[in-house]
Amino acid sequence: DAKTTQPPSMDCAEGRAANLPCNHSTISGNEYVYWYRQIHSQGPQYIIHGLKNNETNEMASLIITEDRKSSTLILPHATLRDTAVYYCIVRVASTSYDKVIFGPGTSLSVIP
Amino acid sequence: SAVISQKPSRDICQRGTSLTIQCQVDSQVTMMFWYRQQPGQSLTLIATANQGSEATYESGFVIDKFPISRPNLTFSTLTVSNMSPEDSSIYLCSGGTGAAGELFFGEGSRLTVL
Repeated sequence: DAKTTQPPSMDCAEGRAANLPCNHSTISGNEYVYWYRQIHSQGPQYIIHGLKNNETNEMASLIITEDRKSSTLILPHATLRDTAVYYCIVRVASTSYDKVIFGPGTSLSVIP
Repeated sequence: SAVISQKPSRDICQRGTSLTIQCQVDSQVTMMFWYRQQPGQSLTLIATANQGSEATYESGFVIDKFPISRPNLTFSTLTVSNMSPEDSSIYLCSGGTGAAGELFFGEGSRLTVL
């Protein structure tokens, strides 16, 4: 079973920041938080991941709470092309165990 | 990063037949996985493709129905056997190197069974 819970859907106005929450209250110390998105009819696309520090890349920022039980993906200036299903995943990342289980995700609609 | 190519990208098949989907990665990956995505649903993990040994299947999936091969670090196949309309789905291949690395996905193979 997926170890995360996300709201099923969200709307965001174009140009505004999209803040997508994720709860992972049973996360273990060696599990990372990963975010992927899937635009309609395409394969999932990696966005960002982190262990306990906040992370930022060219696509998004990831804010992880100090107790690591929840996180927020931030798309700073959402565009129409960011409309997609966003998946928050916790994953043990090692060379011997790397299974990734997807939950239902959050369907983000960016509105003009 | 790794680029994952799948063949075929889509196919229409008759009930009772089998189809083999190929997955090619442009660089060596430690782990390879096969997922199924039914219409309007999230991705469901079918199995982990292990190099040179039998795949590890998730609950609800069996080797007789979904035989998987992985002869080397960059190639894997998934066969959907004795197909029925319920097997109509997108089948996705993914690969990663572990150790906090990314997991890359192919664009999927859209299968329709009539």
